[in-house]
Amino acid sequence: GQNIDQPTEMTATEGAIVQINCTYQTSGFNGLFWYQQHAGEAPTFLSYNVLDGLEEKGRFSSFLSRSKGYSYLLLKELQMKDSASYLCAVPGSGYALNFGKGTSLLVTP
Amino acid sequence: DAGVTQSPTHLIKTRGQQVTLRCSPKSGHDTVSWYQQALGQGPQFIFQYYEEEERQRGNFPDRFSGHQFPNYSSELNVNALLLGDSALYLCASSDTRTSPREQYFGPGTRLTVT
Repeated sequence: GQNIDQPTEMTATEGAIVQINCTYQTSGFNGLFWYQQHAGEAPTFLSYNVLDGLEEKGRFSSFLSRSKGYSYLLLKELQMKDSASYLCAVPGSGYALNFGKGTSLLVTP
Repeated sequence: DAGVTQSPTHLIKTRGQQVTLRCSPKSGHDTVSWYQQALGQGPQFIFQYYEEEERQRGNFPDRFSGHQFPNYSSELNVNALLLGDSALYLCASSDTRTSPREQYFGPGTRLTVT
């Protein structure tokens, strides 16, 4: 099975940089996803990492280390609209996505 | 290009009743997955439908059942509702042929059981 851990809550200041960590344990690795979810809305896809290293996509970057079972999502130049829950997910056996509980990020002025 | 759509948006039911939720996948997608998300938790996988059959199931009781139609749309049925079934129900679609693990989520149905 999968065990996915991420911090429950984080707070950061507008314009700053924040790093949201995710550790996972899985039997058979098929990549790692990050989703953003605003309150009451659907999760939206941010990134998918299957190889080690950093992938940058605008203000958001995602890092993966398969040997350490570790990933992080890096958000730069934080904006108020970045206040949301960030979900780390790994595919399980078959096609199901197994999600962590999510990290609630609050961006303050 | 229409994304994933779900209906209804909100629903209030009484304990013991039955409910049906509906989902239309993103255009070009042939696979539909259903997730339950309790408040403050990550989504939990219920089951996935492909070619009108349940392809995979998570750890949910038989009270949760589903169906997929020839046009790839899907329904989630929950019988004998419990208070604990109150949650946001998310539908996600994917294209099994090209990107089976990249799932696109709909806006969800907020179910409240009283």
